[in-house]
Amino acid sequence: DADVTQTPRNRITKTGKRIMLECSQTKGHDRMYWYRQDPGLGLRLIYYSFDVKDINKGEISDGYSVSRQAQAKFSLSLESAIPNQTALYFCATSDRYSGGLADTQYFGPGTRLTVL
Amino acid sequence: QKEVEQNSGPLSVPEGAIASLNCTYSDRVSQSFFWYRQYSGKSPELIMSIYSNGDKEDGRFTAQLNKASQYVSLLIRDSQPSDSATYLCAVSTRSGNTPLVFGKGTRLSVIA
Repeated sequence: DADVTQTPRNRITKTGKRIMLECSQTKGHDRMYWYRQDPGLGLRLIYYSFDVKDINKGEISDGYSVSRQAQAKFSLSLESAIPNQTALYFCATSDRYSGGLADTQYFGPGTRLTVL
Repeated sequence: QKEVEQNSGPLSVPEGAIASLNCTYSDRVSQSFFWYRQYSGKSPELIMSIYSNGDKEDGRFTAQLNKASQYVSLLIRDSQPSDSATYLCAVSTRSGNTPLVFGKGTRLSVIA
């Protein structure tokens, strides 16, 4: 089984709908991240969480919210989806205390979201 | 603003040649450096990490770090068409209390 899973893998929705993307990990990592990727723009950080009680905004948090339900689960919500939120969304995890591998991020398979 | 810069490419090399991918970073206290490979529509996967000045080799891949010049590179020897992908450079600060900063990536095309 994959260490970092994302559901759904593909989603088509309409403008104004509320959408939740979910991320689960079995790596035992304490840190989790949400990114979006658009062609030519690279990975852009939306939110990140360094532990269950910690939530931080990234560079493009407007229009998004997150919930860290447990160490292994980190959800991203779009309260009212708009077409320019059409993108590939990635969840990632890392472990602060992995010695030489500290902060190495491991990515989920991604969710392709289309907002019509 | 911490920045990581990469040439977007595409970098085209013939099969069997050495591909050289470069990355510069702005934060002098950066401590850890990572190279990820990303195939189109897929998630980034870690290829190599490097923490000390000099070279680090893993199979056909060599990462090179020069902290004085704030420069990290990835060499791919005996390039194969399957190496065609986008390569992302990522940098971590000394404290480790901020997320990795990713470059926008360099697209590599290996021509058979």
